[in-house]
Amino acid sequence: DTGVSQDPRHKITKRGQNVTFRCDPISEHNRLYWYRQTLGQGPEFLTYFQNEAQLEKSRLLSDRFSAERPKGSFSTLEIQRTEQGDSAMYLCASSRPGSTSGANVLTFGAGSRLTVL
Amino acid sequence: LAKTTQPISMDSYEGQEVNITCSHNNIATNDYITWYQQFPSQGPRFIIQGYKTKVTNEVASLFIPADRKSSTLSLPRVSLSDTAVYYCLGVSTGFQKLVFGTGTRLLVSP
Repeated sequence: DTGVSQDPRHKITKRGQNVTFRCDPISEHNRLYWYRQTLGQGPEFLTYFQNEAQLEKSRLLSDRFSAERPKGSFSTLEIQRTEQGDSAMYLCASSRPGSTSGANVLTFGAGSRLTVL
Repeated sequence: LAKTTQPISMDSYEGQEVNITCSHNNIATNDYITWYQQFPSQGPRFIIQGYKTKVTNEVASLFIPADRKSSTLSLPRVSLSDTAVYYCLGVSTGFQKLVFGTGTRLLVSP
C-alpha cells in the first residue's frame, strides 16, 4: 500500500493555459474524490467517483473543470483556460467500498499545488 | 451532514495535554464524529472516529457525551510535531462526501 499518489506536486502556469492533474488511489479503493483547498480554508469538495462513474459534482466545478476516471483506476482533473482564481491545492482522496462499522474514512494524497500567473 | 463549530486556534506547550472541543448541536442519529489532522502542504489525515462514549487509539482519545451535541479530541503530551490544523466532521454512514470547516489551528511551542 503506497497510499494515494498525486502528480505533479507543483504546477506553475500562465493564465489561459490548460493543466491536468493525475491521482492514483489505493488499489482496493473504489471511491475517489477531488477537493480543492485555498490558504487558510478547509478542503472544498469538487467531485466524487465510484469506480468509473462520476456520481456527484459540486457547483464549484465550472465547465472549465473536467474529471475522469477511466476503468475505475486512476483519475485526472483537467482545468481549461486557467484563471488566477484557480490557484489552490488540489487534493485527491480514496476510500473503501464500504465499512462494516462506523462511517467511511478517506485517505488523502499530498496534493497538487497550482499557481496561475 | 452535521454542522460543526470548533475554535479557530489553540496554543500549547510541549508535554501538555490538549483538548479541542467541537460543537455539533444538529448531529443526526447515524452521524459519526470524525477528526482529521492536516500538516502544511499535505492532505488531511484521519485521526479518530467515534459514535458515543470514549474511543482511544495510539494517537488520540475522543470523548462524546450521551447527548452527542459536542465532542472533545484529546491529544496527550503534545510535541512540536503535533502543530497542525484539526478538523471535526459529522459523517453519516451513508455519506458521499466530507464537508470540512476551517478547523482548529493548534500551535505547540517548546
